[in-house]
Amino acid sequence: DQQVKQNSPSLSVQEGRISILNCDYTNSMFDYFLWYKKYPAEGPTFLISISSIKDKNEDGRFTVFLNKSAKHLSLHIVPSQPGDSAVYFCAARAHYGGSQGNLIFGKGTKLSVKP
Amino acid sequence: DAMVIQNPRYQVTQFGKPVTLSCSQTLNHNVMYWYQQKSSQAPKLLFHYYDKDFNNEADTPDNFQSRRPNTSFCFLDIRSPGLGDAAMYLCATSRGQTNEKLFFGSGTQLSVL
Repeated sequence: DQQVKQNSPSLSVQEGRISILNCDYTNSMFDYFLWYKKYPAEGPTFLISISSIKDKNEDGRFTVFLNKSAKHLSLHIVPSQPGDSAVYFCAARAHYGGSQGNLIFGKGTKLSVKP
Repeated sequence: DAMVIQNPRYQVTQFGKPVTLSCSQTLNHNVMYWYQQKSSQAPKLLFHYYDKDFNNEADTPDNFQSRRPNTSFCFLDIRSPGLGDAAMYLCATSRGQTNEKLFFGSGTQLSVL
């Protein structure tokens, strides 16, 4: 049973427009969320993260929004650039008492930004 | 540049023939992880080492083993590969278990004939 769900396998966006990638989760113990970006033939690289005590984190063109009540987070890329074309993985970590759980990944969303 | 290096990039093995994938890191991180990723699936954690302490995920098959002879190197051994073990194998590191950010290698794509 997937705890982290990325229900859109792919997304196509025009250059300059906003890309919105969505992620839903089921485990209420998740307290830290990350987005990773993966180019073909490379490993995933860290993009941006957010703690459950926040509802927004911004880093340049990338903003992550967290809605805890809906167990939903989204990654916004504005403006989108062709170099943003990649697979984006949502990941989450749970906090159990004094210890951290391991990262749980979604299946990824393939973003294509067209010139 | 400090990095996580996986060799080989592509590995072909025969059904039932043992195979070893390797990972090295120059980040001097305490934790090293092995993930399995099948096509269009989420990366799935197989196990990780915190220093020399081995932590196996409950659903990792016994067919998968790992060794970490020192801080820099970690190996994934598949004792008797089956067709279902064909996948991308990703090695990752983190500074500590409370450090959420993982640094990944480029992966080894394993094919089983």
